Parts: sequence; structure tokens; C-alpha cells
Amino acid sequence: SQQGEEDPQALSIQEGENATMNCSYKTSINNLQWYRQNSGRGLVHLILIRSNEREKHSGRLRVTLDTSKKSSSLLITASRAADTASYFCAISGGSYIPTFGRGTSLIVHP
Amino acid sequence: GAGVSQSPSNKVTEKGKDVELRCDPISGHTALYWYRQRLGQGLEFLIYFQGNSAPDKSGLPSDRFSAERTGESVSTLTIQRTQQEDSAVYLCASSPGSSYNSPLHFGNGTRLTVT
Repeated sequence: SQQGEEDPQALSIQEGENATMNCSYKTSINNLQWYRQNSGRGLVHLILIRSNEREKHSGRLRVTLDTSKKSSSLLITASRAADTASYFCAISGGSYIPTFGRGTSLIVHP
Repeated sequence: GAGVSQSPSNKVTEKGKDVELRCDPISGHTALYWYRQRLGQGLEFLIYFQGNSAPDKSGLPSDRFSAERTGESVSTLTIQRTQQEDSAVYLCASSPGSSYNSPLHFGNGTRLTVT
């Protein structure tokens, strides 16, 4: 399966701390994407990293990709209460259809 | 500009009834996806449309599920003879093209409850 698997399933931290979540997969990929979902809403695209890239940044977000280990990580620095959401990785392999994992539920306490 | 719009936002139906869910993609987006998300779960792929090509229906769970899209416009997902296990949020997404590197833009979903 090309489905990514996020780890941990749930993460609870204090405001100002960093949050790290991981995604592992089993097949070769073209790219890996990270999305955020607030409760009751659709998913919002955060970052896309291509298979030939190793790191990307966007504001307080940092994504790394290690294709040799078939894993990616999403780091949120200096977290805020507004970062509370579920975070999903999506794998694009041999087709145009991204497949999603079960997500990491992040709670940031004020 | 306008994002992906889905309607209705909520739908409660009785077991055995048919339902139709609607998705208006972002104008100009050629690719359209339907996913299903059960409570507390990840996204389950249902169907993918790309321009005028034949859709990829490989994710549809049964023949009670069907979807249509005319050109690059509105799509409808129809569930016939609904069952309680169909209860979920149905998410639609569109993207600008068939590139592997086009991010998806999601609507807020239709929450379907089958009683």
C-alpha cells in the first residue's frame, strides 16, 4: 500500500513548544504532502516535498524527507493554540491519487 | 477567489434512501477527487476525475456508489440504498492539473448520517 502512516497518533504540548510528527511509507514516491484539518473542516495544504528534495520550510513549518528510510517529518516551531488540529501526510506514488494516513491529532494548550 | 464548495453541508437520511452530494470545484481545476472520512479516521479515496478522461473508480466501495462530472465543472456523488456504514464525511478536492506536484484544495465536506 502507498498509504503513509503518521506517528504519533496524538500529541499534546504547551504553547511555545515545538511539535514533531512523522510519516512513514512503504513504496517509492513522487512527492509527499502535509495537510492540516481543523475540526469539522476540510483539509488545508501545508507543504509539498518532492522525492528529490530533502528539506522545505514555510514560516514555522519545516518538513524533511528521507527516501532511504521512507519517512518524513513535520516540525512546527513555537506552537500556538491555533495550531491545534489533525495533521495528515499524503503520498503520491505511481498514480495521481494522493493517499492519506490516519493523521496525528495535535493539541496545543495555552 | 472562491474555493471548493460542497452541498449540502449536512445530510440526514433514512436507511435505504438515495442521496446525492454535490461538489463545485475551483474554476479551471481539471482534476477532481472524492474521499470519504469516517469519524476519527483518515481519508479513503473514492473516485478521481481528470478532464475528459475516463474516471478512476477504483476506490468506490460498492455498486451503490456512483459519481459523475461533466467536463471540468460540477461533480455529483450518488449513494443508492444508503446503509448505516455509509455515515461519514464526504470530502471533495480539486487541483489545477494532472501534475504529480499539484496540491489538492478541499471543500469543507458533506457530513452524511444514515439513521
